[in-house]
This record gives sequence, structure tokens and C-alpha cells, in this order.
Amino acid sequence: EVQLVESGGGLVQPGGSLRLSCAASGFTFSSSSMNWVRQAPGKGLEWVSHISSSSSTIYYADSVKGRFTISRDNAKNSLYLQMNSLRDEDTAVYYCAKSIAARKPFDYWGQGTLVTVSS
Amino acid sequence: DIQMTQSPSSLSASVGDRVTITCRASQSISSYLNWYQQKPGKAPKLLLYAASSLQSGVPSRFSGSGSGTDFTLTISSLQPEDFATYYCQQSYSIPYTFGQGTKLEIK
Repeated sequence: EVQLVESGGGLVQPGGSLRLSCAASGFTFSSSSMNWVRQAPGKGLEWVSHISSSSSTIYYADSVKGRFTISRDNAKNSLYLQMNSLRDEDTAVYYCAKSIAARKPFDYWGQGTLVTVSS
Repeated sequence: DIQMTQSPSSLSASVGDRVTITCRASQSISSYLNWYQQKPGKAPKLLLYAASSLQSGVPSRFSGSGSGTDFTLTISSLQPEDFATYYCQQSYSIPYTFGQGTKLEIK
């Protein structure tokens, strides 16, 4: 059974940093692309970042470029999102989602972790 | 960026009804169109990919069609568990944009 479990969310002040993690199991993590998608309270879905299976290809949404860094550790079956210079508008539930490759659908999602940016 | 526009934004329907949701892309995305279902407090779930391919385990009452810029999601006979919010998403180019969502409510 595919499982994606996010952690690391919480309350942080504007300008602060947070590192999210996503623990994967039930599939060959090292062969899958991974993504972060966020959802602000009461709002729709926003794609944040994509990383290929070997980390050779990485993409970001313009809204987080230069502030967020996606990475993965295939030996630990884990995905990460380092979030720096956080803003109020980064407040959201952050989901990790797997896809077979770029341009493919997100076939499994984690349950999400809430990040709240507030003073 | 490719803009995805869903209509309607909300919809009231009854169990047994046939429902259609449309999604329009601001430029051609071939068939790189996916549909997700999200229930309150839960993660999105993939329903259809490549415009018309049903994800494993998804009931056959869900179907999709379209290519280029215009797409539809159809539920042939609404069941109580289908009341949720539905999102389309293009995976043709970065950034992978979503529609604003269609909230399907019980009439």
C-alpha cells in the first residue's frame, strides 16, 4: 500500500523558516517523481514544486522560487521542502504527491501538514 | 502560465442525477488533463488522467473527455459519496496549474 506521510508543519513567524518532510513507503520511491502542492485555508490547490527521481530536474512555482528548496533522499525514502523567508500568504496545508514522471498525474497524495505563518 | 477555468464553481444536484463539469485551458494542453476529487479535510484523490483514462479503483460512473482546450468530467449517476469538490489540473507545462474547483452539493 502506497503511503505518504508529511511532517514538520507548525506555527512560524513571518520571515522564519521551516522544513517539511514526507516519508514514503509502499512503492519504489527512487523511481518516482515527487511534488509539493499547497492549499490555503478555504482555497484551491496550488502546485509548489517538482523533483525528478534522481533530483536532476527541479521546478518551482514563481510564488516560492528563491525561498523554497525541494530535495529528496532516496536512501531514506524521503522528500523535503525547506521553506525560508516565509510570508503570511504561505499559510496552507502542504501535501506531498507522487507522480511516475514529469507531465504525469499525481496518483497518490499524503494527508497534508499545516503551515501557519503569523506573528 | 496556463490558466484553467472550471464551470460551474458550484453545483447542486440529487442522488441519481447526471452531472457534467467543464474545464477550459487558456491554451492547448493536448490531453494532459487530470481530474481530482477532494472531500473536506482530506487529500485530493486522482479520478481521471490523460483526459479520459480512469484511475484504478475509480467507479465507472466517472468519465472524462476532451482535448486541446476544452474538457469535461461526467458523473453518470450521482451517489451520496460523490458530493465533494472537483479540480482539473493541466500537466502539460510548468507550472502545473489547477482549476479553481467545482463544489458539488446535495440538492
